[in-house]
Formats: sequence, structure tokens, C-alpha cells
Amino acid sequence: SQQGEEDPQALSIQEGENATMNCSYKTSINNLQWYRQNSGRGLVHLILIRSNEREKHSGRLRVTLDTSKKSSSLLITASRAADTASYFCATDDGGGFKTIFGAGTRLFVKA
Amino acid sequence: NAGVTQTPKFQVLKTGQSMTLQCAQDMNHNSMYWYRQDPGMGLRLIYYSASEGTTDKGEVPNGYNVSRLNKREFSLRLESAAPSQTSVYFCASTRSAYEQYFGPGTRLTVT
Repeated sequence: SQQGEEDPQALSIQEGENATMNCSYKTSINNLQWYRQNSGRGLVHLILIRSNEREKHSGRLRVTLDTSKKSSSLLITASRAADTASYFCATDDGGGFKTIFGAGTRLFVKA
Repeated sequence: NAGVTQTPKFQVLKTGQSMTLQCAQDMNHNSMYWYRQDPGMGLRLIYYSASEGTTDKGEVPNGYNVSRLNKREFSLRLESAAPSQTSVYFCASTRSAYEQYFGPGTRLTVT
């Protein structure tokens, strides 16, 4: 069973717009991560937010975490065509070594 | 630095055949993972190795075996392939159980 579930499943926006993706999870976590996957490639780590953090920034990425609602959001500002990819949230299982991935949000940025 | 490498990139098997997927990392990471990704889904953990000499089952281990040959290499074996094992297989490694580094994947078709 999957811990994280992303919403929406797919998102299509124009270049320059902001893209927001949401992730919900079921059990307590130590951290939450976001990954990007370009078509036909492996996943690339974007950002990690710990359970005691509420917001984190990295370049054009902004991640929030609400542990009371068991949810996180990833905001990509001023999107570019190169941001077209699938984005996955991933959580630990509370124990350490396992990372559990959601089904992902497919983002399409139109030039 | 090659990062995480996987061989082969593509493979077609007949039902009942066996094969081994190879994975190697040159980042001196302790932990290594095998995932499968089916169309429109996130990654599901097959097996992982928290450190050299240890392996543990993930979410979907049935039909697979693994070997952590040394710190660098972690192989995945299908003893008797089934059509349900048609998937893309990803190997990943990490130093700390977070921020996993992924290989390019092996696309396996079982007919």
C-alpha cells in the first residue's frame, strides 16, 4: 500500500505560471521528500523536509508540511518547459530505511 | 563519478526464464534499494539492503531474490519470470536512508 498520495494526478499549465502539487500520507513520519522523474529516466531528489519543519525553499521550489493534516505541498514558481516531468512525494515508514513513494503528479508546462 | 549504474537497460524474457539485474554504485553509500515502477504508478519497494551483509523484504518481494555482493553491488534475481513482472526496475542508493540516488532503470518485458 502506498503511504503518499499526490493530487492532482495531472496538471497542465503555461510557462511562467506557478504549479502546486499536494501530497497526503497516512502515518507518522520523520521526513518527507519530493522527487522529479523525467520521462524514461530515474528519479532525482529535489528537497527533503523534516517533521519539525513547516516550510522549506530551494531555488524556485517551496515545500510546506502540515503534520496535523498529514499533508505536504510542492510549489514550483515561474515554471519552465523543462519542469515538465512527474513529481513524487516520498515518506519514511517511521523506522528508518524504507522510503514509500506516492503515485505522482504529471506536470506538463506548455511553452 | 558514474553514480548508480544498472545493466541491462532493456530485456525481454519468456515466461519461466530467469535473469539477474545488476546494480552498482560508486558513491560509497551504505544502503541500496530495488524498486519496480508500473505504468502510472509510483515506485514499489522490492528489497533493500541497509548495509553490506544485510537484506530485507520490501512491499512486493514475491518472485524475487537479492544479493548484496559487496558495498558497491546489489543484484536482483528473477528465478522464474512471469508476465506480472513486466515493469521498469530501478536501483537506488543512499548514505543515510534519505536522498536516494537512482539508476537509469531496466525495462523488462516478460512474454
